[in-house]
Amino acid sequence: AQTVTQSQPEMSVQEAETVTLSCTYDTSESDYYLFWYKQPPSRQMILVIRQEAYKQQNATENRFSVNFQKAAKSFSLKISDSQLGDAAMYFCAYRSPTQGGSEKLVFGKGTKLTVNP
Amino acid sequence: EPEVTQTPSHQVTQMGQEVILRCVPISNHLYFYWYRQILGQKVEFLVSFYNNEISEKSEIFDDQFSVERPDGSNFTLKIRSTKLEDSAMYFCASNPTRVRETQYFGPGTRLLVL
Repeated sequence: AQTVTQSQPEMSVQEAETVTLSCTYDTSESDYYLFWYKQPPSRQMILVIRQEAYKQQNATENRFSVNFQKAAKSFSLKISDSQLGDAAMYFCAYRSPTQGGSEKLVFGKGTKLTVNP
Repeated sequence: EPEVTQTPSHQVTQMGQEVILRCVPISNHLYFYWYRQILGQKVEFLVSFYNNEISEKSEIFDDQFSVERPDGSNFTLKIRSTKLEDSAMYFCASNPTRVRETQYFGPGTRLLVL
């Protein structure tokens, strides 16, 4: 079974600075999908960024980018120019490939990000 | 932009009572999911639903749980006889197709069982 590990329960960053959140996962599958979701205090789950394992290029979305290291099974999230609104719980998630795979998302335990003004 | 909606936002119930949590997935989506998050813990998969059938369920999804798509828009999760440990945030999610891998989440229903 796939597992997702987020080793940093809490992180903090100064406004306008850069922070990197770590995620590692364990799988025997060669093709899969990885996601970062943000959960603000309202507790809604908001998709931040996604990465297809077959793509070598790291995904980017504005100030958010990932460092995907397939061999190391590592998927870290970098937030540049941090803003107060980035303060939230961040969850890393794994999903099996489409054909014959499980549909469920497997989540890590989350990293609570605090942004200091 | 279309969103997944859930009602109610909060529900308080007595142990042993039945509750129904409602979700309206995005209109052109075909795959539906329920997840739960006990306070302070990770988000856990409960069940996936497609073509009016359960396609996958977790060990958490026992006989006390059921899902239904009673009409063309709603997707419900029923807990027949609630337990204290069912207190959690329940999230509904949907996909347009199985090929598109991004699941879009609703805002959640916070269930408190007393």
